[in-house]
Amino acid sequence: KQEVTQIPAALSVPEGENLVLNCSFTDSAIYNLQWFRQDPGKGLTSLLLIQSSQREQTSGRLNASLDKSSGRSTLYIAASQPGDSATYLCAGSSYNFNKFYFGSGTKLNVKP
Amino acid sequence: GAVVSQHPSRVICKSGTSVKIECRSLDFQATTMFWYRQFPKQSLMLMATSNEGSKATYEQGVEKDKFLINHASLTLSTLTVTSAHPEDSSFYICSARSGGLEAFFGQGTRLTVV
Repeated sequence: KQEVTQIPAALSVPEGENLVLNCSFTDSAIYNLQWFRQDPGKGLTSLLLIQSSQREQTSGRLNASLDKSSGRSTLYIAASQPGDSATYLCAGSSYNFNKFYFGSGTKLNVKP
Repeated sequence: GAVVSQHPSRVICKSGTSVKIECRSLDFQATTMFWYRQFPKQSLMLMATSNEGSKATYEQGVEKDKFLINHASLTLSTLTVTSAHPEDSSFYICSARSGGLEAFFGQGTRLTVV
């Protein structure tokens, strides 16, 4: 069974810092990987999707990479802002797209 | 990105009653929809996968008679929690795909059974 670990579980940084969130899978056979943001009591907002043929994706201040050989992904946030405060979830899907395996999230707090 | 609307956002019901949660894809046709539940401070756990016009596929340990899923059209899936009990209180989130790779999520439903 696929298990997803996100490190750290919580992170508090001052505004302006660059930071890295980590995600690892016990089974490296991840076909696609997606990073999400979840605000308290809310649903999930898709941030970045890395497809099977890709190694990384960028959107604004966010950059996500995927190393399939090791089953690891990182989400890099540049110049963090208080509005970035949320829980960040990574999820990997299997080749048939039908199952998403979620990590338990990293709760980020960016202090003004 | 595509929009998935989930309703209601919050519901409180009495123990023993049934509750229906709707998930709609507003601007695309969702061939596949997924239902997740999330306990406090935990991650999302997939409950079931539904394809339009066919029976849902439930994950191991999820009672299909308790969590009824209907995916009658390409834009609507419903989850009915039957004979709800306090232990069913949770955050339920639906997700939809149009056949592409990216999954879009609803805003979630906070169910409280009293």
